[in-house]
Amino acid sequence: GAGVSQSPRYKVAKRGQDVALRCDPISGHVSLFWYQQALGQGPEFLTYFQNEAQLDKSGLPSDRFFAERPEGSVSTLKIQRTQQEDSAVYLCASSLVAVQGAYYEQYFGPGTRLTVT
Amino acid sequence: AQRVTQPEKLLSVFKGAPVELKCNYSYSGSPELFWYVQYSRQRLQLLLRHISRESIKGFTADLNKGETSFHLKKPFAQEEDSAMYYCALIWYGQNFVFGPGTRLSVLP
Repeated sequence: GAGVSQSPRYKVAKRGQDVALRCDPISGHVSLFWYQQALGQGPEFLTYFQNEAQLDKSGLPSDRFFAERPEGSVSTLKIQRTQQEDSAVYLCASSLVAVQGAYYEQYFGPGTRLTVT
Repeated sequence: AQRVTQPEKLLSVFKGAPVELKCNYSYSGSPELFWYVQYSRQRLQLLLRHISRESIKGFTADLNKGETSFHLKKPFAQEEDSAMYYCALIWYGQNFVFGPGTRLSVLP
């Protein structure tokens, strides 16, 4: 079946531009996660949705980062006024559900590589 | 804060040799530990999790709460095991914390 898809796969932005990164989770997956992976590092948690509710955004590095999932399916991560330090791979993952005391496997998308020049 | 450390950025072994990828974590409770793998040009995928106590592709990992370690082991490495390996933990109600990763290179 179809896995998690992300678009675009590559994005080059000039410093100061706004960008929008899209994630299509696996159909029926309730939970959706965004991660930022800098070069040579492991993924770092940004934010988490359960259906359309954003339950945790503690990992967003600044108020320039904004994520939404208005209908509980597709999600968009928006970065305003991009800076060079925003250059990274942005990963999206989805799972059946993530509730306290229980965990289901996260399925990752291929990522979007953002380069800010 | 919860942390996951993987001391080796790169580990090279010869085909058929044993391999151990180290993972240590700092957390005082009882987290759930995982190993994720990323093969060349593929997406990140789950390899194994400690609660299932499975052996996947010949890999095993034992959670040692006393040493707060979750090392990944395989007795005989294969060339197709070459990949990036990430150790990760999750604790109740929170989200994943990933380690920095170890690149395993299995030489012919």
